Amino acid sequence: SQQGEEDPQALSIQEGENATMNCSYKTSINNLQWYRQNSGRGLVHLILIRSNEREKHSGRLRVTLDTSKKSSSLLITASRAADTASYFCATVRNTDKLIFGTGTRLQVFP
Amino acid sequence: ETGVTQTPRHLVMGMTNKKSLKCEQHLGHNAMYWYKQSAKKPLELMFVYNFKEQTENNSVPSRFSPECPNSSHLFLHLHTLQPEDSALYLCASSQELRWQEQFFGPGTRLTVL
Repeated sequence: SQQGEEDPQALSIQEGENATMNCSYKTSINNLQWYRQNSGRGLVHLILIRSNEREKHSGRLRVTLDTSKKSSSLLITASRAADTASYFCATVRNTDKLIFGTGTRLQVFP
Repeated sequence: ETGVTQTPRHLVMGMTNKKSLKCEQHLGHNAMYWYKQSAKKPLELMFVYNFKEQTENNSVPSRFSPECPNSSHLFLHLHTLQPEDSALYLCASSQELRWQEQFFGPGTRLTVL
């Protein structure tokens, strides 16, 4: 069954603006990961947040995790045209597999 | 590009053809994966190999046959495919089978006519 579900499905913003994507999931998790995929290419791992963590930063990326609400958000600050891609959350339960959502398509206009 | 390569990048085949997809990882990882990505569907895990041994077959039809001769190479043999099998096939690897960070190849875009 699908674990992560991203919201919104698509997002269009101007360069310099912030982009926020959300991920909701259904069962308890060990960790949650965010990946980026440029059109028709492989996925690139962005950040991993464990179930006992609430917030992590990596460069212009900020990820939060609320296990009580079973949700996570990915914030990209000061977006650039090169950030245009699809973004996926993936959840991991105890020793279970990585379950991906359907993704958010982000378009950043110059 | 990551340390995971896939060939070919594009493949068009008829339903009666036999073809193979190849994946190679240069990262010294022990676990390798095949995923299928279809339009507007979540990424689907197909097969998992750990130290060359298959540890997961996610109810994949037998017309898809994986092979892992060593920890660096992974193949997906295709035979008698259907048009609905058209998709982007992604290979990934990870240091260990602990479902931590996975490194993906660029994928093979498969079209079945």
